[in-house]
Amino acid sequence: EAEVAQSPRYKITEKSQAVAFWCDPISGHATLYWYRQILGQGPELLVQFQDESVVDDSQLPKDRFSAERLKGVDSTLKIQPAELGDSAMYLCASSSLTGSNTEAFFGQGTRLTVV
Amino acid sequence: GDSVTQMEGPVTLSEEAFLTINCTYTATGYPSLFWYVQYPGEGLQLLLKATKADDKGSNKGFEATYRKETTSFHLEKGSVQVSDSAVYFCALSASGGSYIPTFGRGTSLIVHP
Repeated sequence: EAEVAQSPRYKITEKSQAVAFWCDPISGHATLYWYRQILGQGPELLVQFQDESVVDDSQLPKDRFSAERLKGVDSTLKIQPAELGDSAMYLCASSSLTGSNTEAFFGQGTRLTVV
Repeated sequence: GDSVTQMEGPVTLSEEAFLTINCTYTATGYPSLFWYVQYPGEGLQLLLKATKADDKGSNKGFEATYRKETTSFHLEKGSVQVSDSAVYFCALSASGGSYIPTFGRGTSLIVHP
């Protein structure tokens, strides 16, 4: 069964260091999302890609966060410098279509701890 | 903007009890509605969905009916099992926006034997 792959599963980093997360969506899925999930809360969208183009990054803290999907397939989310408040689960999701009834398939997430 | 409101948890039940998790929404246009489930340390999995008013989504004994008049999509199960213990998220994808799934805060369900 096709899955969204994310790595690493867990990451511990020191404050002010750089950190990067990788996501490989389900093959053929044009839409890719990065979400941040703070413990005890629901996922909040950081950025949405359609192929290699950013559709929505209005909630991405652009002073420290960046995201790219250069060839319209896999994607990288970077934080530099990391802050204590960035500790969260970072979830990647993909979908094959645009439209209101489109299901998003999620990866297992990367648990980030900033110390 | 679009939003989803879920009942606060945790919801604690004994095995075989009846489950209801309330969900209401605010959206422009005619959204599709979803329930996702998250097991500890895992990502989210789609549990069920409904794409128009009065549709009933169902899966693994869980059901939810899209009620446009009350803007609700409550999750129900007639007899819960210990293995249903997880966090449940109500979500919408609205036609008036860019179809980005928007999630509620989640409701933790704990089922005791």
